[in-house]
Amino acid sequence: DVKVTQSSRYLVKRTGEKVFLECVQDMDHENMFWYRQDPGLGLRLIYFSYDVKMKEKGDIPEGYSVSREKKERFSLILESASTNQTSMYLCASVRDRGSPLHFGNGTRLTVT
Amino acid sequence: QKEVEQDPGPLSVPEGAIVSLNCTYSNSAFQYFMWYRQYSRKGPELLMYTYSSGNKEDGRFTAQVDKSSKYISLFIRDSQPSDSATYLCAMNGGQTGANNLFFGTGTRLTVIP
Repeated sequence: DVKVTQSSRYLVKRTGEKVFLECVQDMDHENMFWYRQDPGLGLRLIYFSYDVKMKEKGDIPEGYSVSREKKERFSLILESASTNQTSMYLCASVRDRGSPLHFGNGTRLTVT
Repeated sequence: QKEVEQDPGPLSVPEGAIVSLNCTYSNSAFQYFMWYRQYSRKGPELLMYTYSSGNKEDGRFTAQVDKSSKYISLFIRDSQPSDSATYLCAMNGGQTGANNLFFGTGTRLTVIP
C-alpha cells in the first residue's frame, strides 16, 4: 500500500510565524501535490511537483512556497502565517498523471 | 459555473438503506472518474476509479458514469454505520495531468444504526 505521511496532525501557530508542513511518500512517486480543504470550498490545489527540484503553482499559491529536494519529500512553507491560512492541508502523491491520487491524513493548521 | 457540482448534503439514512450519491460536471473531456471516502479528521481514501462510461462494482459499492448526461453516481447497498463519512467525487481528462483533477465539495453521509 502506498503510504503518504504528513509529519503533524495538528499545528497551532501565531500570525507572522514561518510554518513548515512536511510530507513523505514511500512509493517512489514522481508527482506530489499540496491541497487545502475548507468547508464549502472543497479541495483547492496550492502547489504541485512532477520531479525533484521542480514545482508548479496550483490554483491558490499566494502566501505559500514549496520545496522538493528529494523525490520522496515535498514540503509546504507558509512564509508568514495569516489567520486566513487556517485550514486542513492535504498532501498527495501519484506515480502516473492519469492515476488517482493517494492522500496523507492531513495537517489541521490553526493560525491565531 | 463550477467544473464539478456535488450536493453537500448532509444525508442521513437508516442502516441497510441503499444510498445514492451524485455529481454532475460540465467538461466533456473528462474521462477518469473517482470516488473518495473521507472519515472525520482523516485524508481522503480512494474508493472507486473508473474510466469512461459504464458501471463498476466492488462489494457493496457501485460506481456509474453517464458521459452523455455528464453525471456520475456512487451507490452503496446495505449501508452500514461504518459508511458514515464524506464522499468526494473527482475527475480529470487523464492526459492533461493529475494537476487538472477536479473535485466536488463532498457529500456528508450519516448511516443511523
